[in-house]
Amino acid sequence: AQSVTQLDSQVPVFEEAPVELRCNYSSSVSVYLFWYVQYPNQGLQLLLKYLSGSTLVKGINGFEAEFNKSQTSFHLRKPSVHISDTAEYFCAVSGLGGSYIPTFGRGTSLIVHP
Amino acid sequence: DTGVSQNPRHKITKRGQNVTFRCDPISEHNRLYWYRQTLGQGPEFLTYFQNEAQLEKSRLLSDRFSAERPKGSFSTLEIQRTEQGDSAMYLCASSPPGRGNQPQHFGDGTRLSIL
Repeated sequence: AQSVTQLDSQVPVFEEAPVELRCNYSSSVSVYLFWYVQYPNQGLQLLLKYLSGSTLVKGINGFEAEFNKSQTSFHLRKPSVHISDTAEYFCAVSGLGGSYIPTFGRGTSLIVHP
Repeated sequence: DTGVSQNPRHKITKRGQNVTFRCDPISEHNRLYWYRQTLGQGPEFLTYFQNEAQLEKSRLLSDRFSAERPKGSFSTLEIQRTEQGDSAMYLCASSPPGRGNQPQHFGDGTRLSIL
């Protein structure tokens, strides 16, 4: 079985400040990890993914995430946020050798203030 | 890549009525997924197709829910005898063949409101 915990339901931040959205997972097998973004009344869009190799993954819109196997974490970071980054962010995990169906976290609402 | 298309975008119906949603996946994607999303939650898995075969169903999927994917192309999700608790966003996603390493492409969802 696999599960995802997004530790913060809401993260308020000022424009141009750095931000980190936290994600921890549990799985009995090796995993693939994803971050998605959802804007109001839209579906989810892929921000970035970790499949293997380098633990630092770069995605779209200036976001990056670091896979930490010992801490079972995959935190999302951006050095300087914009108003347009205000959205819901979801971490997801799918298991290598297990179910191909990803499990999503509850989401973190990023609110960027001017 | 024309994206995943879902229709209708919004559906308002009275309790007890039946509703059907349609999803058109990206044409070369053989995997199709249905999720339900309520306010403040992540997508919850409902069911999964590989081509025309429905390979997995969540325990969340009561017998009032049925999904089909004839000929492995578009899919429909039907809810019979709708209840207030069925109010949610229903998301469809598709992905190409792979071993869990393929990200999903989501449609914009169908928002269901039960009066």
